[in-house]
Amino acid sequence: DGGITQSPKYLFRKEGQNVTLSCEQNLNHDAMYWYRQDPGQGLRLIYYSQIVNDFQKGDIAEGYSVSREKKESFPLTVTSAQKNPTAFYLCASSSGIGLYGYTFGSGTRLTVV
Amino acid sequence: QQQVKQSPQSLIVQKGGIPIINCAYENTAFDYFPWYQQFPGKGPALLIAIRPDVSEKKEGRFTISFNKSAKQFSLHIMDSQPGDSATYFCAASIDQAGTALIFGKGTTLSVSS
Repeated sequence: DGGITQSPKYLFRKEGQNVTLSCEQNLNHDAMYWYRQDPGQGLRLIYYSQIVNDFQKGDIAEGYSVSREKKESFPLTVTSAQKNPTAFYLCASSSGIGLYGYTFGSGTRLTVV
Repeated sequence: QQQVKQSPQSLIVQKGGIPIINCAYENTAFDYFPWYQQFPGKGPALLIAIRPDVSEKKEGRFTISFNKSAKQFSLHIMDSQPGDSATYFCAASIDQAGTALIFGKGTTLSVSS
């Protein structure tokens, strides 16, 4: 079945450590996105990529980094510079045509301990 | 100008009621307005979407009403059921420019039986 796989589902990180969240899609979608979800804050855009080897910052990119070396993969690194990294992270992809919408993964819940 | 303002934050209705969720935007360049439904621990899923050239769109029990002059759009859920209990997000983007979706902060709906 086609879809988006995010791993791991739960992740614990010590303060001061970098951590990478995985996002893989087999939908042959060109565009991929990372959102952060906090209670009462909705979904806030971190980074997005319309094509391989190209990506743009979203509204809250500080403390995060991404790469897009393959069409299928868009990993997100949460660096130690991110002041408040504990959150639910959602990856999405789209064909670039709006009416077909985004396909979201099931998310990764990151907790800093 | 990039914000999408959503209200109410939470909503409780009885089974069979018609909950209404409202969203407002400022950026007149937005041309794609989807609604997403999210269950706890899952990623959001596309529910219904509309473009500004129509004033209303229905899909099953879900209806979007769109008021271009007021820069507002709303979601109505007819004959609501306990299974509709979820968080609903409105969103907007400049689809022709390939910009990423900007989401509202979400409305948590509870339908009591």
